[in-house]
Amino acid sequence: EADIYQTPRYLVIGTGKKITLECSQTMGHDKMYWYQQDPGMELHLIHYSYGVNSTEKGDLSSESTVSRIRTEHFPLTLESARPSHTSQYLCASSEWKLEAQYFGPGTRLTVL
Amino acid sequence: AQKVTQAQTEISVVEKEDVTLDCVYETRDTTYYLFWYKQPPSGELVFLIRRNSFDEQNEISGRYSWNFQKSTSSFNFTITASQVVDSAVYFCALSEPNYNQGGKLIFGQGTELSVKP
Repeated sequence: EADIYQTPRYLVIGTGKKITLECSQTMGHDKMYWYQQDPGMELHLIHYSYGVNSTEKGDLSSESTVSRIRTEHFPLTLESARPSHTSQYLCASSEWKLEAQYFGPGTRLTVL
Repeated sequence: AQKVTQAQTEISVVEKEDVTLDCVYETRDTTYYLFWYKQPPSGELVFLIRRNSFDEQNEISGRYSWNFQKSTSSFNFTITASQVVDSAVYFCALSEPNYNQGGKLIFGQGTELSVKP
């Protein structure tokens, strides 16, 4: 069973605000991922990391940024939130030799 | 290009019926992994199974079973004697090439399963 945490679970915020979505895992996994998903729809990879100080952009263009200063922590930041950012954001991690990606509970973001 | 297709957008069954969720994939790689995930209304994705491209044996886990056929590029998922708690969106996924380095997954569009009492 995976241990991956995301906070907050729900966030409602006004346009123009800066927000950071937190993601932490306690499994020592090197690889971490951020996905964006509209309810019930397919997942789109927006960022990923192979390890500390590694960050890569995913397949879906995103105005967000990420950092990976510690193995266990992979926060996602939106400098200026807009209504188009309203979505669910899912964080995942996996071992270096591909095992399954384990997902956190997600953050449901609403930008008014 | 790699692609995963789940042609069934929504499926509705009555409790205790068997149901099969289809997954068809495209890849040029000879080595790859296939996955199934469950996403209940709570929103998180729950890992169900990983299948290596070299292992075509079917797998059974309780009421769940998976049929992997390389000849038709399919990895179908069957729930036997479905229950209301099985209601969720189910995603099939394929590992991208160079899986040992990248590890990115390509997801299908998902199939929403509704099991009615």
